Amino acid sequence: DAKTTQPPSMDCAEGRAANLPCNHSTISGNEYVYWYRQIHSQGPQYIIHGLKNNETNEMASLIITEDRKSSTLILPHATLRDTAVYYCIVRMNTGFQKLVFGTGTRLLVSP
Amino acid sequence: NAGVTQTPKFRVLKTGQSMTLLCAQDMNHEYMYWYRQDPGMGLRLIHYSVGEGTTAKGEVPDGYNVSRLKKQNFLLGLESAAPSQTSVYFCASSYSGPIYNEQFFGPGTRLTVL
Repeated sequence: DAKTTQPPSMDCAEGRAANLPCNHSTISGNEYVYWYRQIHSQGPQYIIHGLKNNETNEMASLIITEDRKSSTLILPHATLRDTAVYYCIVRMNTGFQKLVFGTGTRLLVSP
Repeated sequence: NAGVTQTPKFRVLKTGQSMTLLCAQDMNHEYMYWYRQDPGMGLRLIHYSVGEGTTAKGEVPDGYNVSRLKKQNFLLGLESAAPSQTSVYFCASSYSGPIYNEQFFGPGTRLTVL
């Protein structure tokens, strides 16, 4: 699996958009970008994934650059409950493959 | 549906003691996983199972054993606990099939080995 690089921490004001970057410059053509988050002391939670097109669901949007070497997770209107560690993971989408969790980005949403 | 549940939530052991962590899922998932998370670090895969009666080693399997006698349960055993096994343990499950599906995680078991 390709390695990812994320900033260790970010701050965001409540109600504003939170934009979390991820660098995956060694991603291969058949690898997807996944995002999970872990709210304090809880198990990780799946957020979204994508291959090359931008994706949106009820939780977030995922923007992947055209060369696929980086991506941004967008929480459009961050709330205090979005304070968590966000993990960007790259992996193929077929068969069994483990999730490789790095240290992620600790997002702090403040009032 | 309860999703993925873990028993117990907390446990304190003395060095050399043994214990079993239980993971149960009610989503009929084929795949199940055990991870550990140390302070300030991401999760690391200990063992996993791709179906009832099968298990395989992950990244950090030493000191642990697992069993998957029933599809819905995945047990993690520590035969002789060591302080280095102090950690938070997470169980997860997912569907199998040709296309990856998201993993659903349990709430975790916080284990301290003295």
